[in-house]
Amino acid sequence: GAGVSQSPSNKVTEKGKDVELRCDPISGHTALYWYRQRLGQGLEFLIYFQGNSAPDKSGLPSDRFSAERTGESVSTLTIQRTQQEDSAVYLCASSRDNTGELFFGEGSRLTVL
Amino acid sequence: GNSVTQMEGPVTLSEEAFLTINCTYTATGYPSLFWYVQYPGEGLQLLLKATKADDKGSNKGFEATYRKETTSFHLEKGSVQVSDSAVYFCALNHGNNRLAFGKGNQVVVIP
Repeated sequence: GAGVSQSPSNKVTEKGKDVELRCDPISGHTALYWYRQRLGQGLEFLIYFQGNSAPDKSGLPSDRFSAERTGESVSTLTIQRTQQEDSAVYLCASSRDNTGELFFGEGSRLTVL
Repeated sequence: GNSVTQMEGPVTLSEEAFLTINCTYTATGYPSLFWYVQYPGEGLQLLLKATKADDKGSNKGFEATYRKETTSFHLEKGSVQVSDSAVYFCALNHGNNRLAFGKGNQVVVIP
């Protein structure tokens, strides 16, 4: 497809387990973003990639969170030792320029029991 | 810091009614302002934007005007349709496309 693709769409895990969330951006989009949306809250910025480098990691909530991007394409967000407060929808977006137009995936819903 | 505030609670209205969703912002400088929309089962998508004071963004019958004096960017549509049922997010651009989003408003249009 032509849009941003995220997987899995739903993930249920036990507290303390590690999870990986994947994002396939639109082909040719150099910038990639991860946001988090907890129930009843707005979107919370996590990290931004320009190419394969991450000039802005300031939104990562703790050192249990990390992200990487390879080949200026796929990105993986990893959450280690998950906690219940990590339960949220994790949204990925990509963009081709600096105009503020982001193209979002449908999100990965994470539930930590 | 830069932030966006949207009015609380869902909005329920009848088809052909007038819709207003309030958005105010706090920012240093003059950020670009946006409305994003999320239709059921889909990802967020850009609805409209304005890049400087007094600019009016418009799309699909929706409009919003960048008001520097009131730090607002209220979304309006004169006659809503059932297909406008969605969640609407106001946002501002910190720079480098790092957007600050409001909490969103669920809009339900009843036939």
